[in-house]
Amino acid sequence: QQQVKQSPQSLIVQKGGISIINCAYENTAFDYFPWYQQFPGKGPALLIAIRPDVSEKKEGRFTISFNKSAKQFSLHIMDSQPGDSATYFCAAKTSYGKLTFGQGTILTVHP
Amino acid sequence: KAGVTQTPRYLIKTRGQQVTLSCSPISGHRSVSWYQQTPGQGLQFLFEYFSETQRNKGNFPGRFSGRQFSNSRSEMNVSTLELGDSALYLCASSLDEVGKTQYFGPGTRLLVL
Repeated sequence: QQQVKQSPQSLIVQKGGISIINCAYENTAFDYFPWYQQFPGKGPALLIAIRPDVSEKKEGRFTISFNKSAKQFSLHIMDSQPGDSATYFCAAKTSYGKLTFGQGTILTVHP
Repeated sequence: KAGVTQTPRYLIKTRGQQVTLSCSPISGHRSVSWYQQTPGQGLQFLFEYFSETQRNKGNFPGRFSGRQFSNSRSEMNVSTLELGDSALYLCASSLDEVGKTQYFGPGTRLLVL
């Protein structure tokens, strides 16, 4: 019940395209859903996060869509750029609980 | 503000040895969490400390231990190293005990031969 399932494992997008990564969870006690971006040799960096009382949050080219009834959330990267090529992790957390990560998506944006 | 720092950045050990990794959180942050990252298992939670107390623990054997000091700096120790302990060990800090927004360090890359 603590799992967060992420798909796809890898994604190839052309420059200017939209990248979409999906995550699903079971534990309804999760109340914080962040996305992290990780470049090779670096630690994960917080990209954007959402709480379940909000259906969408946008920060620049990055948007989280949240569907509480379906227990799913997704990351949309608009106008994808080669510099966005990285591994993306969704995660979920309960208050005072541990951060549970999805398996990661390797995004490659071709110029 | 300086970010989370981890030392050492790289480490090579042999089976059976023990290792200690260090983490300095962002100034003012009181919660520190540790994660193991491997290609096969992804990011796995090890443990979390707040005010020198372990608040959460992941599903790792007792060979993995940690502690937090009064200045919020944290160390993790792995005893009797196994080949499968080769991984990137990441430390993350957050401001308070709720620990929602976590900021990660660059990690310590451990190779066990």
